[in-house]
Amino acid sequence: DIQMTQSPSTLSASVGDRVTITCRASQTISRWLAWYQQKPGKAPKLLIYKASSLESGVPSRFSGSGSGTEFTLTISSLQPDDFATYYCQQYNSYSYSFGQGTKLEIK
Amino acid sequence: EVQLVESGGGLAQPGGSLRLSCAASGFTFNNYDLHWVRQAAGEGLEWVSRVGSTGDTSYSGSVKGRFTISRENAKNSLYLQMSSLRAEDTAVYYCAREMGYAFDVWGQGTVVTVSP
Repeated sequence: DIQMTQSPSTLSASVGDRVTITCRASQTISRWLAWYQQKPGKAPKLLIYKASSLESGVPSRFSGSGSGTEFTLTISSLQPDDFATYYCQQYNSYSYSFGQGTKLEIK
Repeated sequence: EVQLVESGGGLAQPGGSLRLSCAASGFTFNNYDLHWVRQAAGEGLEWVSRVGSTGDTSYSGSVKGRFTISRENAKNSLYLQMSSLRAEDTAVYYCAREMGYAFDVWGQGTVVTVSP
């Protein structure tokens, strides 16, 4: 099974900051990597699919990059609504898995 | 409106069974692969199972042999039959629609508690 490792686990930042979250796969997954935002008590929300494609309706301050085993999610200018937990998710050979999550907190 | 609504969660005994349902609306159900994803309290997301548009299935190692995913296209419904339940199966269970190997539509979740 492919393991996904996110870093950092917790990130403290301020409104207006640029932040980057990294996700590493234990083996190559091409570009089959998605990013989600989850707020307490709510279902996850898809932000980015296929490593860098922005889901419809998601603000353009969110961007994704990477391929193979290393991927990043960048938020260019943090807004108050962005403080949440973020997960990466991979697909490989009919198996899927998530990273452990990155909690983005207000500094 | 595209929507997924889960039901069937509740309390089950260790070793017992429970069947979850997910009702879909607002899209052509037959055309999509569908999944179950779970989340234990305070923990991360865990992929559980997938059923393809043609009925093929796959499972995570932690539930393989105990859980069975199925779909009924005529009723726009997805199911998860859970048996031999363990305490570690306690979680919120979400159904999700797959688009391009990502999950673009999620239900609100149903809570499963496994306890004596």
